[in-house]
Amino acid sequence: GAGVSQSPRYKVAKRGQDVALRCDPISGHVSLFWYQQALGQGPEFLTYFQNEAQLDKSGLPSDRFFAERPEGSVSTLKIQRTQQEDSAVYLCASSLGTVNQPQHFGDGTRLSIL
Amino acid sequence: RKEVEQDPGPFNVPEGATVAFNCTYSNSASQSFFWYRQDCRKEPKLLMSVYSSGNEDGRFTAQLNRASQYISLLIRDSKLSDSATYLCACTGNQFYFGTGTSLTVIP
Repeated sequence: GAGVSQSPRYKVAKRGQDVALRCDPISGHVSLFWYQQALGQGPEFLTYFQNEAQLDKSGLPSDRFFAERPEGSVSTLKIQRTQQEDSAVYLCASSLGTVNQPQHFGDGTRLSIL
Repeated sequence: RKEVEQDPGPFNVPEGATVAFNCTYSNSASQSFFWYRQDCRKEPKLLMSVYSSGNEDGRFTAQLNRASQYISLLIRDSKLSDSATYLCACTGNQFYFGTGTSLTVIP
């Protein structure tokens, strides 16, 4: 596809459920990033992949959050035992090369935990 | 201290006005700088990269001041369609975003 694709667009889950969010980056983009954005805030870094290697996961808020990119293209962000404070928009972005290059974002997944 | 600080605004300006946003960054080793535009309930979209010598794209001018560690965005002849949140970003180990500055252009 032409841009970064994320699914689902909206996800509602009950507290305690596990959720999985998918990101399909721009074809050929080496780097992939996950962000969490709360209302009125800028995107907060969660984790970063270069190809299949997870180079930085320092932004993941707890061990309930897990991300993978096993074949260096599609990535999944999994949140286990969701809590209300996990409600946010989760944005995925990709870039052609290193962290110093501009990133292109998907539409995001709006997650609501009831 | 956050890596990137931005005045959240809001900035409310009349059509045709010139408006400027600043953004300060804390890591002197940051290499790349960007401005993004984010419309309500949409994803951030790259507006422009910021180069050391300053750069212009139509009505938009971006500047970098490494000595004072800030970047700026100037919008001339504001249009109603410029209403959005403007996010600055810089790189270090990661990509760091500011909280965004809200701009509303009023008819």
